Amino acid sequence: TQLLEQSPQFLSIQEGENLTVYCNSSSVFSSLQWYRQEPGEGPVLLVTVVTGGEVKKLKRLTFQFGDARKDSSLHITAAQPGDTGLYLCAGHGSSNTGKLIFGQGTTLQVKP
Amino acid sequence: EPEVTQTPSHQVTQMGQEVILRCVPISNHLYFYWYRQILGQKVEFLVSFYNNEISEKSEIFDDQFSVERPDGSNFTLKIRSTKLEDSAMYFCASRLTGGSVGELFFGEGSRLTVL
Repeated sequence: TQLLEQSPQFLSIQEGENLTVYCNSSSVFSSLQWYRQEPGEGPVLLVTVVTGGEVKKLKRLTFQFGDARKDSSLHITAAQPGDTGLYLCAGHGSSNTGKLIFGQGTTLQVKP
Repeated sequence: EPEVTQTPSHQVTQMGQEVILRCVPISNHLYFYWYRQILGQKVEFLVSFYNNEISEKSEIFDDQFSVERPDGSNFTLKIRSTKLEDSAMYFCASRLTGGSVGELFFGEGSRLTVL
């Protein structure tokens, strides 16, 4: 069974601080995706990483895929209150149906 | 911008009742999914649907669950006899392409409360 473990589960920081969220597995994933979910809404895709060692940047967010394609990280630089939300990592299952396996999520609160 | 729409946004039902959750995926998408999220827990895969048939289902998706695409636009999830533990947010999702890279678009969810 493929599982994704996210850490930390909760993070409360001050505006301007940096943070890193981790997504780990014992399984290899063909790709990993990061989503953001607002209360009362569905997850919205932020990025997909496909190649081992790949780094992608989205403004102040930096996503990295581990060399062995078993783990990923999300780093936010100079966090702002608008970054507050639930961040989810998800990997495609070993079948080819497009099924996603989600981590349990990281709830981020950025205080002004 | 095209979006996945779900109805109802919230449904309250008595245990043992049948529930149908409705979804309108993005119009040119070919792959359809249902996920659920029990309060405080992770998003869990229920079922994937392609070419008018189920392509994969999870252990959660037992005989009480069924999906249907009755016409060219709707995609429904039916729970025949609801249990208390079916209370959750149910998300419909769709995507244009298969494989492991394409973007999955989620609806805003239908909250099901079973009393």
